[in-house]
Amino acid sequence: GAVVSQHPSWVICKSGTSVKIECRSLDFQATTMFWYRQFPKQSLMLMATSNEGSKATYEQGVEKDKFLINHASLTLSTLTVTSAHPEDSSFYICSVSLSRGSTDTQYFGPGTRLTVL
Amino acid sequence: GENVEQHPSTLSVQEGDSAVIKCTYSDSASNYFPWYKQELGKRPQLIIDIRSNVGEKKDQRIAVTLNKTAKHFSLHITETQPEDSAVYFCAVRGLGTYKYIFGTGTRLKVLA
Repeated sequence: GAVVSQHPSWVICKSGTSVKIECRSLDFQATTMFWYRQFPKQSLMLMATSNEGSKATYEQGVEKDKFLINHASLTLSTLTVTSAHPEDSSFYICSVSLSRGSTDTQYFGPGTRLTVL
Repeated sequence: GENVEQHPSTLSVQEGDSAVIKCTYSDSASNYFPWYKQELGKRPQLIIDIRSNVGEKKDQRIAVTLNKTAKHFSLHITETQPEDSAVYFCAVRGLGTYKYIFGTGTRLKVLA
């Protein structure tokens, strides 16, 4: 499978500040990465699809101006939570899609736990 | 859009017994169905998957079955062990897309 890292693993910030989370594909070039949010004891909710060299595609209900995504290289996508508020506290997980022939599989990063005070 | 339902939400079994988790989906064009295991505070790990051209797949104590007509697929864990305790998520990927839609999760507890 693919090796995916995220940084930081956890972050605590004050309300109103911005936080950047990095997602790296360590062993292959990923043209597509995904960002998910997971609240405690809930499922993974897809926030956006990050496309290398182009704009991200956001899911319905996700504010693109609040959750800025940049996929500047084939190994790095970043998610910036702008003007964070306590309700943004969550577990943010990225994934990469590894294609082999006609199939593809998603591999997840270790996640970043964001706590907004 | 695709809708995925997962049952049960919690499941407790005695060590050595079998556990079955079921997911139903709405889009008949969906063609890939992975199962992920997530331990507390950790990333989801792919444990088994099945594609729409196959009815069953097995990997040691884990198996997945797919009924395309009824649009449901199930995870079967046999001879459960305490280390199987985790949250399990099913997912569905539609034809022509990379996007996954996840089920709501099942918290499995294996009692020693």
